[in-house]
Amino acid sequence: QKEVEQNSGPLSVPEGAIASLNCTYSDRGSQSFFWYRQYSGKSPELIMSIYSNGDKEDGRFTAQLNKASQYVSLLIRDSQPSDSATYLCAGATNNNDMRFGAGTRLTVKP
Amino acid sequence: ETGVTQTPRHLVMGMTNKKSLKCEQHLGHNAMYWYKQSAKKPLELMFVYSLEERVENNSVPSRFSPECPNSSHLFLHLHTLQPEDSALYLCASSPQGAIYGYTFGSGTRLTVV
Repeated sequence: QKEVEQNSGPLSVPEGAIASLNCTYSDRGSQSFFWYRQYSGKSPELIMSIYSNGDKEDGRFTAQLNKASQYVSLLIRDSQPSDSATYLCAGATNNNDMRFGAGTRLTVKP
Repeated sequence: ETGVTQTPRHLVMGMTNKKSLKCEQHLGHNAMYWYKQSAKKPLELMFVYSLEERVENNSVPSRFSPECPNSSHLFLHLHTLQPEDSALYLCASSPQGAIYGYTFGSGTRLTVV
């Protein structure tokens, strides 16, 4: 079974700190990687996508991809209480196959 | 309306009932998906439709029956469900496939009693 693995957490960081979320995947055929944010009782919301090795920055969010190590990460700078949510990592191998991790629950404490 | 709309938001049904979940997308996307989300588990892919044609049925029990009458609408027909089918059912759409990322609907919280 080709899997995406995440630490379930909870990960707790103080307001203003950097939150670091990590993810590994087993399918080397994965081409695209995504981070979704899911607030309690809500549906997942796409916040970052990354397709090539290296870093991709969007505001306070930075996604990092290392295909050789099969590793994806998400950094959240200047964490805010509103960032408290479950973050889902996902990888897609082709048009019809996106695999999700079980999610990491992040709590940002004021 | 914009985005992906799912109805109903909440559904409680008995094991002998028949009900349907509806999904509608206003994004002009070509692919639509049904996912099941249970507590503490990864999202499970159920069905994939591309340009209204079902391209994947991920070993889902026959008590779940999808229907895609056009590229904007997707249904999930439910009958004789089991209590373990209680979960959040999510519809998603994508421009041309999973590698482009999904837009999710708000989900239907299903409880089978």
